[in-house]
Amino acid sequence: KAGVTQTPRYLIKTRGQQVTLSCSPISGHRSVSWYQQTPGQGLQFLFEYFSETQRNKGNFPGRFSGRQFSNSRSEMNVSTLELGDSALYLCASSLRAAGGSNEQFFGPGTRLTVL
Amino acid sequence: TQLLEQSPQFLSIQEGENLTVYCNSSSVFSSLQWYRQEPGEGPVLLVTVVTGGEVKKLKRLTFQFGDARKDSSLHITAAQPGDTGLYLCAGANQGAQKLVFGQGTRLTINP
Repeated sequence: KAGVTQTPRYLIKTRGQQVTLSCSPISGHRSVSWYQQTPGQGLQFLFEYFSETQRNKGNFPGRFSGRQFSNSRSEMNVSTLELGDSALYLCASSLRAAGGSNEQFFGPGTRLTVL
Repeated sequence: TQLLEQSPQFLSIQEGENLTVYCNSSSVFSSLQWYRQEPGEGPVLLVTVVTGGEVKKLKRLTFQFGDARKDSSLHITAAQPGDTGLYLCAGANQGAQKLVFGQGTRLTINP
């Protein structure tokens, strides 16, 4: 079974631009969560999508948004990029089964550098 | 706000030694997951513990969930250079997909 895939793997943007990152979950997984990883803050939860609806949201500004498609693929968008948005953006998929243990499986990440 | 504190943040030991990494919180979690992350890659799930007092073994790695489900530990026996990496603990609550991560322990095993 293929794992979580993320594209692109690396991205360089300048301040003020916007960026869209893509994530394809493991086949059969319907929940996709996004995390930001930085050396200073570690891994922080951005949001989760399930059945094309945002179910949970972390403490990030509205510049960070996402969506999920009917095939469970998800995209994350960051508008008006700031230098502090430079980070590894990780996508995680899970079954989200009722009573399940919330196990999440991560993709390789997209390394975003904002200049 | 739930927080997880990992200790130590950095650990460098010789091959063959034993080590323990701790993950502590003042909050109760319904489950706790341990991940290992290599540079430039995403975290890889090692184990999930869900029952207070639960102990799980993965070859030379032993994971324990505290009785009160507020803390966990990872013990590695006879560490090998291949164990080098960033170890992360992450807590979850029933029905919620949001994982709360510790800051991580960067482990280096020297040959």
